[in-house]
Formats: sequence, C-alpha cells, structure tokens
Amino acid sequence: KAGVTQTPRYLIKTRGQQVTLSCSPISGHRSVSWYQQTPGQGLQFLFEYFSETQRNKGNFPGRFSGRQFSNSRSEMNVSTLELGDSALYLCASSFSVTYGTEAFFGQGTRLTVV
Amino acid sequence: QKEVEQNSGPLSVPEGAIASLNCTYSDRGSQSFFWYRQYSGKSPELIMSIYSNGDKEDGRFTAQLNKASQYVSLLIRDSQPSDSATYLCAVPTPANTGNQFYFGTGTSLTVIP
Repeated sequence: KAGVTQTPRYLIKTRGQQVTLSCSPISGHRSVSWYQQTPGQGLQFLFEYFSETQRNKGNFPGRFSGRQFSNSRSEMNVSTLELGDSALYLCASSFSVTYGTEAFFGQGTRLTVV
Repeated sequence: QKEVEQNSGPLSVPEGAIASLNCTYSDRGSQSFFWYRQYSGKSPELIMSIYSNGDKEDGRFTAQLNKASQYVSLLIRDSQPSDSATYLCAVPTPANTGNQFYFGTGTSLTVIP
C-alpha cells in the first residue's frame, strides 16, 4: 500500500514568488492536514481538509491557502514568499475525522526562500 | 504553558540500555496520545498510539499513560544505534474532529554503540 506522497521534495524560491505544494494521501484516506516544521517553532498546524472542505485552520497569515480535490489529493499555496517561510512542509493523511484517528506523514517538501 | 511539553534533550544512552522519553500535556480532556520518530532530515513516522491509562507494549517500545498526572512516556528497551532520532509526542487538539494535533518540540535521543 503506497504511503503519503508529497511533491516536489525540494524547492528553492525567491522572495515575493508564490509556490504550490502537492500531497496525495494514502489510498482510502480522506483527511489531509498540512504542517510547517522549523527548528525554532517545531511542528505547527496549517490547515485540515476533509471531503474537499477546509475543517480547521491554524494561526497563519492569509498568504497560506490550500484546497482538496475530489480524489482527496491536496495542494497548499503560499503567495508572496518571505524568508521566514523557509521550512519543511509536511502533509499528514488520516482515514477519517474521528477523534484519535492516527495520522501518517509524507516525506515532506523542503522549501528554501532566498 | 504549552499544550504539549517534552524535554528537548539531548538524551544519550548506551546501546542495550532503556531510553525513557517523557511528555506532559495541558488539556485534561485529552484522550489520545501518539509518539512519532523523526530521523534527521526525514519526516515523522508514527510508532505508538495509546488511549487508555497504563502500559501498551509493541516490540521494544512501551508507551505509558497516566491521565491523572497528564503524563505520557515512551520506553525503548534494548536501545539500538538505529533508535537515534528525535521523538515527538502528539496530542489531538481539543476541538479536533480529525487530523489536527499539538506536537511537542521533540526529544533528541542518541544511542551510543
């Protein structure tokens, strides 16, 4: 059974540009969440999608957005990139939205903003 | 107070010893707890989940939960160099209806051969 697939694995962008990251969850999983991981802040929740609907959003500026497609694949977009957006972006896949459901992470996309 | 707190370490243990990793959480209503292992440069990997007070064993790993003390721990028996990683404790957020967690900052473990 294939795991969570994130593309691309690495990205280098310039300040002011925008970027789109992709996540394909485990087959049969319908919940996708996105996290930002930095050395100083650890793992921070960005947003969660289930059945193409955003259910929760973390405390990030509006430059961070996302969506989910009917096949459960999800994308996140960051516009007007800042140096501080450099981080590892992780996608987590869950079978359901029942409390306590286990979540499985993809390999991540490492974004570097220069 | 942070929602999930862990000692950042680093924690060093000799090969074959027991490594003990600790986590405390602030929400007394939390019911599910997860341990992830993250190797340097890699993504977190789920290794244990625990929902009830007491111990849960899986191979060399034992998760311990004490809801009264709001404390969850992970014991690694017969530690191996391959166990050297950062271990993250995760707790679902209070409003969580699915895939949203608070994570601790992680404890870095080094197993010395």
